[in-house]
Amino acid sequence: DSGVTQTPKHLITATGQRVTLRCSPRSGDLSVYWYQQSLDQGLQFLIHYYNGEERAKGNILERFSAQQFPDLHSELNLSSLELGDSALYFCASSGRQTSNYGYTFGSGTRLTVV
Amino acid sequence: QQQVKQSPQSLIVQKGGISIINCAYENTAFDYFPWYQQFPGKGPALLIAIRPDVSEKKEGRFTISFNKSAKQFSLHIMDSQPGDSATYFCAASDFGNEKLTFGTGTRLTIIP
Repeated sequence: DSGVTQTPKHLITATGQRVTLRCSPRSGDLSVYWYQQSLDQGLQFLIHYYNGEERAKGNILERFSAQQFPDLHSELNLSSLELGDSALYFCASSGRQTSNYGYTFGSGTRLTVV
Repeated sequence: QQQVKQSPQSLIVQKGGISIINCAYENTAFDYFPWYQQFPGKGPALLIAIRPDVSEKKEGRFTISFNKSAKQFSLHIMDSQPGDSATYFCAASDFGNEKLTFGTGTRLTIIP
């Protein structure tokens, strides 16, 4: 157990729907990162929050949004879902604002859009 | 300039052999180079990391070799075991960066 908790583990939904993925960081970690991993693809950075504030955006679609709450958990909202959004979504956390000390990943949420 | 190029895409090594995975980068500001190991259905887990002030770092059977002038670094797995079969990702970052930049991954299979 990495200490980063992601729920749900699996999600199956239809095209056009909206889903919310949840991430609880390790105790004391202020940074939360979201990554997308498609089949046979690497890890694509989506967004980084630090202590409730958005710090950086990567290749995140306009249909996707995220936030980090005062208790430091984070949610990734995916709307108007398309078949191509089927992927593993990982959350990672870190105790630092900068990424160059690495971070700890959760076990991911597997999203299947049918 | 933010890319990290990883090779090979897949690798098959006999049990007891040495597995070698290579990565190259362009951004000379990168100062943190971790390797992550990912098993199917799991999240990536930090395996070993190096900073450019040293040319090699060893932890058990895992060694990172770092060549600053060539802007390359590699992971060596000595005495490879079937339990090492996983996907390995290299990554890089620098102090001012808000994210780790990952390579595309290497699927390693250790055969008996």
